[in-house]
Amino acid sequence: NAGVTQTPKFQVLKTGQSMTLQCAQDMNHNSMYWYRQDPGMGLRLIYYSASEGTTDKGEVPNGYNVSRLNKREFSLRLESAAPSQTSVYFCASSRLTGSITTYNEQFFGPGTRLTVL
Amino acid sequence: EDQVTQSPEALRLQEGESSSLNCSYTVSGLRGLFWYRQDPGKGPEFLFTLYSAGEEKEKERLKATLTKKESFLHITAPKPEDSATYLCAVQAASFQKLVFGTGTRLLVSP
Repeated sequence: NAGVTQTPKFQVLKTGQSMTLQCAQDMNHNSMYWYRQDPGMGLRLIYYSASEGTTDKGEVPNGYNVSRLNKREFSLRLESAAPSQTSVYFCASSRLTGSITTYNEQFFGPGTRLTVL
Repeated sequence: EDQVTQSPEALRLQEGESSSLNCSYTVSGLRGLFWYRQDPGKGPEFLFTLYSAGEEKEKERLKATLTKKESFLHITAPKPEDSATYLCAVQAASFQKLVFGTGTRLLVSP
């Protein structure tokens, strides 16, 4: 049981390049999330997927796109990377079902450290 | 707007010196408050969920408590391996996303 896995662990891009960050979970969770973490800013939600086939914007979605490929996998794409997107990116998942009585305990992957030059 | 404020930003303790970390929150109806531990270069690791005022949860040297406006993470007789950043997050009753604080960096010296 690997939990939440992310690839790659590290990446350096030049401004304007594109890339996709991959995330997979093996906990049969319904919901998945992408966050970025910057010094002094805390974790900020980029996009989330409440269930297979649905995605919604979070707090900082500009410059990103996502795909919920199936129940296990949720990818984050940077179409034209900018230096402002230099950050650590975390994927998380939870068993949240959409019921208002469900508690959103999220479990995180190890992160991808992205530098955009 | 839902907000979480953690204090202090950083805390340095000697091994065995007990202390508390604070998480103050404003949220429109609290459904849950979550504590995470984050080691350098790693993802946040889930510690506790607190659901209602007065609730307490314990794990080894850590005890989390909850009031209507804040939560405390008490660390009793800490060891160097307790050194990490501790994050607090809240889930509103009507909005299922989590709002995170910026964390408290704890350093425990031998």
